[in-house]
Formats: sequence, C-alpha cells, structure tokens
Amino acid sequence: DTEVTQTPKHLVMGMTNKKSLKCEQHMGHRAMYWYKQKAKKPPELMFVYSYEKLSINESVPSRFSPECPNSSLLNLHLHALQPEDSALYLCASTSSGANVLTFGAGSRLTVL
Amino acid sequence: DAKTTQPNSMESNEEEPVHLPCNHSTISGTDYIHWYRQLPSQGPEYVIHGLTSNVNNRMASLAIAEDRKSSTLILHRATLRDAAVYYCILPRGSARQLTFGSGTQLTVLP
Repeated sequence: DTEVTQTPKHLVMGMTNKKSLKCEQHMGHRAMYWYKQKAKKPPELMFVYSYEKLSINESVPSRFSPECPNSSLLNLHLHALQPEDSALYLCASTSSGANVLTFGAGSRLTVL
Repeated sequence: DAKTTQPNSMESNEEEPVHLPCNHSTISGTDYIHWYRQLPSQGPEYVIHGLTSNVNNRMASLAIAEDRKSSTLILHRATLRDAAVYYCILPRGSARQLTFGSGTQLTVLP
C-alpha cells in the first residue's frame, strides 16, 4: 500500500459546526503532515507529527486542532471556522530520515 | 533560508523535451533540491531530488549547476498528462521542512 487516504473528499460546514478531517497511511511512515492550499496558491505547512508527537505548529489558529492517535492515522479537528478557512487540506507522510513526501488527494473544505 | 525562483508559466509541445528552470542562489551546501508536481484536482506528487550530481529516474532528470545556484527539471518527452504545476523546493526552517514556492504552471500543447 503506497497511498495516503483522506476522507472526506468534500466537506461543507457552517461556522458553528464541529467536524474532522481524517488521513490514513499504511506505509510505516512515522512523520505525518497537514498542509492548507488556497486556490491558485502553493500548499502551506500547518502541522507536523513525528512519531505521533506534534513537532511543528506553524502558528495555526486554535480553531484547527490536530491529533495523531497512532502511527497510521492523522486527524484535523475543525471548530468555529471562518469562510476564509475554505481551502484544500492536504495530508502527507514520510519515512523517518527521508524527505520524500507522499500526499493524499486532499479534502476540499467549504465554510459557509 | 534559501529562496527559489521559478517562471510563473511555461508551454511545451507534446512529445518534445521540456526544461523547467529554478534559481536558488542562496542554497546551503547540504540542502537537497526537491521537485514535486501537482496535477489538477490532485495532491502534489514527488518527481525527483538531488544534491550535487545530475539525477535520473523514470519520470524526469534533474540537472544541477556546478555552483548549485540553479537547477533544471527535464521532462524528456512531454505528454498531455504532464500538464501540472511544478514546484522546486528547498528545505527551510530549523526543522528543514519542505516549503513550497509559487511553482511553474506547465501547459502541454497537442
């Protein structure tokens, strides 16, 4: 299995909703990432987990809450989002010591 | 941190070679140069990476200047499926994470 699987593919939520994005990989990778990508812009790093511990938080607002329950799963919990948070959210993983990222297809989020 | 500079867009004819340039004049001596591409409606995809020597794989070749201040991604025979945004990326920050620049939008003409 050489894939990173993200669910859901599309999500529409109101500003008062609580929702979660999920990411799964079974490649034995020990680093997992969340990126945010606005239309026509490059992906921007949000969070990095290394060995299930948060190692990088790129000053992301607290309405985005990451969670890594085990080495194969990465969640992004969403609460009280703003319309400007509408974007494609990309998950990626890499094996430790390497720097070749495998990306999922992304979850497209629309905040109304 | 080193910064990359790429043309915003390039065009190529199908089945012809494509040379995508990247300038990184402030690259440090130990940083690898990475290339990813992003096809429409997909996540980015790894293409190739290298340090000093030219590199080849099944997707592309990477030519790195001797002074490492620039590099060129070479697609030997462009196909319509190669139309994508191509990102030249260097590690940045204390954790040396891959940070995407603006990239080059490649259009392949039939």
